[in-house]
Amino acid sequence: RKEVEQDPGPFNVPEGATVAFNCTYSNSASQSFFWYRQDCRKEPKLLMSVYSSGNEDGRFTAQLNRASQYISLLIRDSKLSDSATYLCVVKGYSTLTFGKGTMLLVSP
Amino acid sequence: EAGVAQSPRYKIIEKRQSVAFWCNPISGHATLYWYQQILGQGPKLLIQFQNNGVVDDSQLPKDRFSAERLKGVDSTLKIQPAKLEDSAVYLCASSRFGVRAVNTEAFFGQGTRLTVV
Repeated sequence: RKEVEQDPGPFNVPEGATVAFNCTYSNSASQSFFWYRQDCRKEPKLLMSVYSSGNEDGRFTAQLNRASQYISLLIRDSKLSDSATYLCVVKGYSTLTFGKGTMLLVSP
Repeated sequence: EAGVAQSPRYKIIEKRQSVAFWCNPISGHATLYWYQQILGQGPKLLIQFQNNGVVDDSQLPKDRFSAERLKGVDSTLKIQPAKLEDSAVYLCASSRFGVRAVNTEAFFGQGTRLTVV
């Protein structure tokens, strides 16, 4: 089992749609969790951290289920500018491990 | 605040040649990472430093890759000799705190795109 697994993409959605990304991780001792966004041919940038109680930032909601070792990201009211690859990131004791990423394409 | 600086941005070399990449992290950041990102995949950690000490180099192909972080600031990553499968983007990132910090953001440089022909 890979350390961090994400939904294979790409996801093609129309503007205004709601889209959800899923991620599972294998190390039960993982300490912290993040979603990063990577635009085409650019570097990854932090989108949001994921807290045990769940957290929301505008149109973005992140959830963590430690028992199931599962993380999710929900994007409501998709915008064209949301088109990017979304990377699930898990921190163990010391290192940050990235998933393969899920590409989102939002069309007019 | 200046971001993570990397150079060169692009490099094309022939297989069996050597290449070096340079990274200047954000000032004061304790942790520095080198990642390799092959097209269509997520970044894969090559090596992680805390100040000038190595924290994790378990995925670094040590027969051909080497890295150092002198004085706990700048870092260089070297490949010698390069293989075709080394074609990738090499990303440097830094974090403010050491490895024990829980919610610490990693800031990435723009990367060096290496093509081995």
